[in-house]
Amino acid sequence: DAKTTQPNSMESNEEEPVHLPCNHSTISGTDYIHWYRQLPSQGPEYVIHGLTSNVNNRMASLAIAEDRKSSTLILHRATLRDAAVYYCILRDVNNNNDMRFGAGTRLTVKP
Amino acid sequence: DVKVTQSSRYLVKRTGEKVFLECVQDMDHENMFWYRQDPGLGLRLIYFSYDVKMKEKGDIPEGYSVSREKKERFSLILESASTNQTSMYLCASSLYAARNTIYFGEGSWLTVV
Repeated sequence: DAKTTQPNSMESNEEEPVHLPCNHSTISGTDYIHWYRQLPSQGPEYVIHGLTSNVNNRMASLAIAEDRKSSTLILHRATLRDAAVYYCILRDVNNNNDMRFGAGTRLTVKP
Repeated sequence: DVKVTQSSRYLVKRTGEKVFLECVQDMDHENMFWYRQDPGLGLRLIYFSYDVKMKEKGDIPEGYSVSREKKERFSLILESASTNQTSMYLCASSLYAARNTIYFGEGSWLTVV
């Protein structure tokens, strides 16, 4: 079973920020938190990842709770092209082949 | 740029046929993975490999086998295709360490009739 839980779907308005939550209450100290997204009819693509500290890149920001039991992917200004399924997964340093994806969050962006 | 290439984008096969889905990556990655994706079920791991000739079962290996004779190539084999194997199949690869990015192919849409 996937080690993360995410809402099935979320909606956002274009140009507004979006906060996509992910719960991982059984996270271990050696788990990296990865986020991927899947656009329609394509394979998933990398968005961002982190271990303990918050992370920023050109696509998004990742906010990691202090206890690491949850994280939030932040899209600062949603565009129509951000409509996708977003997956949060954990990748264990000690068993990094165990890559289980859940059903993810389907993000709808309204113009 | 890393590239993961799946040999066929769309396939239609008959029940009972042996089906090969090929995946090649060009970045010398140790890890390679095969998933299937069905509506509402997300990505489900079929098999993965962390080295040449090494393979491990994922969550749904029944009805599938894999082959990794060369580091860059990971093949998924359906020994006797059945209609319930109609799905989209995704190949992925990554370097060994957990902090590394996972790269996916574009997917292969398989229909078994």
